[in-house]
Amino acid sequence: GENVEQHPSTLSVQEGDSAVIKCTYSDSASNYFPWYKQELGKGPQLIIDIRSNVGEKKDQRIAVTLNKTAKHFSLHITETQPEDSAVYFCAASRSGNQFYFGTGTSLTVIP
Amino acid sequence: GAVVSQHPSRVICKSGTSVKIECRSLDFQATTMFWYRQFPKKSLMLMATSNEGSKATYEQGVEKDKFLINHASLTLSTLTVTSAHPEDSSFYICSALVGPGNTEAFFGQGTRLTVV
Repeated sequence: GENVEQHPSTLSVQEGDSAVIKCTYSDSASNYFPWYKQELGKGPQLIIDIRSNVGEKKDQRIAVTLNKTAKHFSLHITETQPEDSAVYFCAASRSGNQFYFGTGTSLTVIP
Repeated sequence: GAVVSQHPSRVICKSGTSVKIECRSLDFQATTMFWYRQFPKKSLMLMATSNEGSKATYEQGVEKDKFLINHASLTLSTLTVTSAHPEDSSFYICSALVGPGNTEAFFGQGTRLTVV
Protein backbone atom coordinates (compact mmCIF):
# COMPACT_ATOMS: atom_id res chain seq x y z
CA GLY A 1 0.00 0.00 0.00
CA GLU A 2 0.86 3.66 -0.05
CA ASN A 3 3.22 5.13 2.54
CA VAL A 4 3.29 8.89 3.03
CA GLU A 5 6.02 10.49 5.10
CA GLN A 6 5.92 14.11 6.17
CA HIS A 7 8.63 16.41 7.55
CA PRO A 8 9.16 18.27 9.73
CA SER A 9 6.80 17.29 12.53
CA THR A 10 7.06 20.74 14.07
CA LEU A 11 8.02 24.05 12.49
CA SER A 12 8.35 27.51 13.97
CA VAL A 13 8.84 30.58 11.82
CA GLN A 14 8.80 34.32 12.35
CA GLU A 15 5.83 36.19 11.01
CA GLY A 16 6.52 37.20 7.43
CA ASP A 17 8.96 34.38 6.77
CA SER A 18 8.24 31.39 4.55
CA ALA A 19 7.36 27.89 5.69
CA VAL A 20 8.02 24.71 3.73
CA ILE A 21 6.60 21.28 4.51
CA LYS A 22 7.70 18.23 2.55
CA CYS A 23 6.09 14.88 1.89
CA THR A 24 7.16 11.74 0.08
CA TYR A 25 5.00 8.91 -1.15
CA SER A 26 5.71 5.39 -2.30
CA ASP A 27 2.95 4.41 -4.74
CA SER A 28 3.70 5.66 -8.22
CA ALA A 29 0.02 5.19 -9.10
CA SER A 30 -1.04 7.96 -6.70
CA ASN A 31 -2.25 10.89 -8.75
CA TYR A 32 -3.91 13.33 -6.40
CA PHE A 33 -2.13 15.16 -3.59
CA PRO A 34 -4.16 17.44 -1.31
CA TRP A 35 -2.99 19.49 1.64
CA TYR A 36 -5.16 20.06 4.69
CA LYS A 37 -5.01 22.58 7.52
CA GLN A 38 -6.42 21.48 10.85
CA GLU A 39 -7.05 23.85 13.70
CA LEU A 40 -7.47 22.60 17.23
CA GLY A 41 -10.74 20.74 17.75
CA LYS A 42 -11.82 21.07 14.12
CA GLY A 43 -11.86 18.88 11.07
CA PRO A 44 -9.19 19.21 8.36
CA GLN A 45 -9.79 21.91 5.78
CA LEU A 46 -8.60 21.50 2.21
CA ILE A 47 -6.28 24.40 1.38
CA ILE A 48 -4.71 23.38 -1.90
CA ASP A 49 -4.27 20.29 -4.03
CA ILE A 50 -2.31 19.17 -7.05
CA ARG A 51 -2.79 16.42 -9.58
CA SER A 52 -0.07 14.32 -11.13
CA ASN A 53 -0.27 16.04 -14.50
CA VAL A 54 0.84 19.34 -12.97
CA GLY A 55 4.19 20.28 -11.45
CA GLU A 56 3.22 23.37 -9.52
CA LYS A 57 0.12 25.17 -8.35
CA LYS A 58 -0.24 28.47 -6.55
CA ASP A 59 -3.06 30.16 -4.69
CA GLN A 60 -2.13 33.53 -3.23
CA ARG A 61 0.39 32.84 -0.44
CA ILE A 62 0.18 29.09 -0.77
CA ALA A 63 1.91 26.96 -3.38
CA VAL A 64 2.43 23.26 -3.88
CA THR A 65 5.06 21.55 -6.00
CA LEU A 66 5.13 17.96 -7.17
CA ASN A 67 8.06 15.89 -8.39
CA LYS A 68 6.62 12.66 -9.74
CA THR A 69 9.98 11.15 -10.54
CA ALA A 70 11.24 11.58 -7.00
CA LYS A 71 7.78 10.97 -5.53
CA HIS A 72 7.75 14.00 -3.34
CA PHE A 73 5.58 17.09 -3.01
CA SER A 74 5.89 20.20 -0.92
CA LEU A 75 3.74 22.93 0.55
CA HIS A 76 5.09 26.47 0.54
CA ILE A 77 3.53 29.25 2.57
CA THR A 78 4.95 32.72 2.01
CA GLU A 79 4.55 35.83 4.15
CA THR A 80 3.32 33.74 7.04
CA GLN A 81 0.81 35.19 9.47
CA PRO A 82 -0.12 34.11 13.01
CA GLU A 83 -3.41 32.73 11.70
CA ASP A 84 -1.44 30.26 9.61
CA SER A 85 -0.54 28.47 12.85
CA ALA A 86 -2.15 25.03 12.72
CA VAL A 87 -1.40 21.40 11.94
CA TYR A 88 -0.92 20.68 8.25
CA PHE A 89 -1.42 17.26 6.69
CA CYS A 90 -0.40 16.08 3.27
CA ALA A 91 -2.16 13.18 1.61
CA ALA A 92 -1.82 10.98 -1.44
CA SER A 93 -4.65 9.31 -3.27
CA ARG A 94 -5.19 7.16 -6.31
CA SER A 95 -8.20 8.79 -7.98
CA GLY A 96 -9.93 9.25 -4.65
CA ASN A 97 -10.15 5.56 -3.90
CA GLN A 98 -8.37 5.98 -0.60
CA PHE A 99 -6.48 8.78 1.06
CA TYR A 100 -3.21 8.15 2.84
CA PHE A 101 -2.17 10.91 5.21
CA GLY A 102 1.17 12.11 6.38
CA THR A 103 1.85 12.35 10.10
CA GLY A 104 1.23 16.08 10.24
CA THR A 105 3.30 19.22 10.79
CA SER A 106 2.53 21.57 13.63
CA LEU A 107 3.30 25.06 12.32
CA THR A 108 3.73 27.96 14.72
CA VAL A 109 4.06 31.47 13.36
CA ILE A 110 5.67 33.73 15.91
CA PRO A 111 4.41 37.34 15.84
CA GLY B 1 -15.66 24.30 -1.33
CA ALA B 2 -18.21 21.63 -0.65
CA VAL B 3 -19.77 21.54 2.80
CA VAL B 4 -19.77 18.43 4.96
CA SER B 5 -21.68 18.71 8.21
CA GLN B 6 -21.02 16.39 11.11
CA HIS B 7 -23.23 16.08 14.15
CA PRO B 8 -22.87 16.19 17.06
CA SER B 9 -19.63 18.10 17.51
CA ARG B 10 -19.27 16.83 21.07
CA VAL B 11 -20.90 13.97 22.93
CA ILE B 12 -20.42 12.40 26.33
CA CYS B 13 -21.91 9.00 26.99
CA LYS B 14 -21.81 6.34 29.65
CA SER B 15 -19.94 3.08 29.21
CA GLY B 16 -22.07 0.43 27.59
CA THR B 17 -24.32 2.80 25.68
CA SER B 18 -24.32 3.45 21.94
CA VAL B 19 -23.66 6.72 20.18
CA LYS B 20 -24.60 7.70 16.64
CA ILE B 21 -22.62 10.27 14.66
CA GLU B 22 -24.05 11.73 11.48
CA CYS B 23 -22.17 12.96 8.44
CA ARG B 24 -24.08 14.94 5.82
CA SER B 25 -23.08 16.40 2.50
CA LEU B 26 -25.06 19.64 2.36
CA ASP B 27 -24.70 20.83 -1.21
CA PHE B 28 -23.69 17.75 -3.15
CA GLN B 29 -24.33 14.05 -3.37
CA ALA B 30 -21.65 11.79 -1.99
CA THR B 31 -21.53 8.20 -3.09
CA THR B 32 -18.42 7.64 -1.01
CA MET B 33 -17.68 8.83 2.50
CA PHE B 34 -14.80 7.96 4.79
CA TRP B 35 -14.70 7.66 8.56
CA TYR B 36 -11.51 8.46 10.45
CA ARG B 37 -10.39 8.36 14.02
CA GLN B 38 -7.79 10.79 15.30
CA PHE B 39 -5.87 10.56 18.54
CA PRO B 40 -4.37 13.68 20.14
CA LYS B 41 -1.50 15.10 18.11
CA LYS B 42 -1.70 12.20 15.70
CA SER B 43 -2.64 11.77 12.09
CA LEU B 44 -5.99 10.56 10.78
CA MET B 45 -6.53 6.82 10.92
CA LEU B 46 -8.93 5.51 8.30
CA MET B 47 -11.57 3.30 9.90
CA ALA B 48 -13.82 2.48 6.98
CA THR B 49 -15.02 3.49 3.55
CA SER B 50 -18.75 3.99 3.30
CA ASN B 51 -20.44 3.50 -0.06
CA GLU B 52 -24.05 4.48 -0.62
CA GLY B 53 -26.32 1.48 -0.85
CA SER B 54 -23.71 -1.12 0.02
CA LYS B 55 -21.81 -2.41 3.00
CA ALA B 56 -18.92 -0.41 4.33
CA THR B 57 -15.37 -1.57 3.80
CA TYR B 58 -13.49 -1.69 7.09
CA GLU B 59 -9.76 -1.31 7.57
CA GLN B 60 -7.82 -4.09 9.19
CA GLY B 61 -8.18 -4.07 12.94
CA VAL B 62 -11.43 -2.10 13.00
CA GLU B 63 -14.31 -4.05 14.52
CA LYS B 64 -17.27 -3.84 12.16
CA ASP B 65 -19.70 -4.99 14.85
CA LYS B 66 -18.57 -2.24 17.17
CA PHE B 67 -18.42 0.59 14.65
CA LEU B 68 -21.59 0.27 12.59
CA ILE B 69 -21.68 2.33 9.42
CA ASN B 70 -24.80 3.03 7.41
CA HIS B 71 -24.85 5.00 4.16
CA ALA B 72 -28.52 4.83 3.26
CA SER B 73 -28.69 7.95 1.12
CA LEU B 74 -26.42 10.01 -1.10
CA THR B 75 -26.19 12.75 1.52
CA LEU B 76 -25.98 10.89 4.80
CA SER B 77 -23.65 8.39 6.40
CA THR B 78 -23.83 7.42 10.05
CA LEU B 79 -21.30 5.88 12.41
CA THR B 80 -22.67 4.15 15.50
CA VAL B 81 -20.26 3.28 18.26
CA THR B 82 -21.93 0.38 20.04
CA SER B 83 -21.37 -0.62 23.66
CA ALA B 84 -18.95 2.24 24.07
CA HIS B 85 -15.98 1.97 26.41
CA PRO B 86 -13.60 4.66 27.67
CA GLU B 87 -10.96 3.53 25.17
CA ASP B 88 -13.37 4.50 22.38
CA SER B 89 -13.01 8.12 23.45
CA SER B 90 -11.52 9.93 20.51
CA PHE B 91 -12.05 12.49 17.76
CA TYR B 92 -14.06 10.99 14.90
CA ILE B 93 -14.06 12.71 11.51
CA CYS B 94 -15.91 11.97 8.30
CA SER B 95 -15.11 13.07 4.79
CA ALA B 96 -16.96 12.91 1.50
CA LEU B 97 -15.67 12.67 -2.03
CA VAL B 98 -16.66 15.39 -4.47
CA GLY B 99 -15.40 16.85 -7.71
CA PRO B 100 -14.77 15.66 -11.24
CA GLY B 101 -14.26 11.94 -11.04
CA ASN B 102 -14.88 12.14 -7.27
CA THR B 103 -11.32 12.75 -6.19
CA GLU B 104 -11.50 15.69 -3.79
CA ALA B 105 -12.29 14.99 -0.16
CA PHE B 106 -13.90 17.50 2.16
CA PHE B 107 -14.09 16.91 5.87
CA GLY B 108 -16.71 17.41 8.52
CA GLN B 109 -15.86 19.38 11.62
CA GLY B 110 -15.33 16.25 13.69
CA THR B 111 -17.02 14.74 16.74
CA ARG B 112 -15.32 14.61 20.11
CA LEU B 113 -16.57 11.47 21.84
CA THR B 114 -15.95 11.02 25.54
CA VAL B 115 -17.03 7.78 27.18
CA VAL B 116 -17.26 7.94 30.97
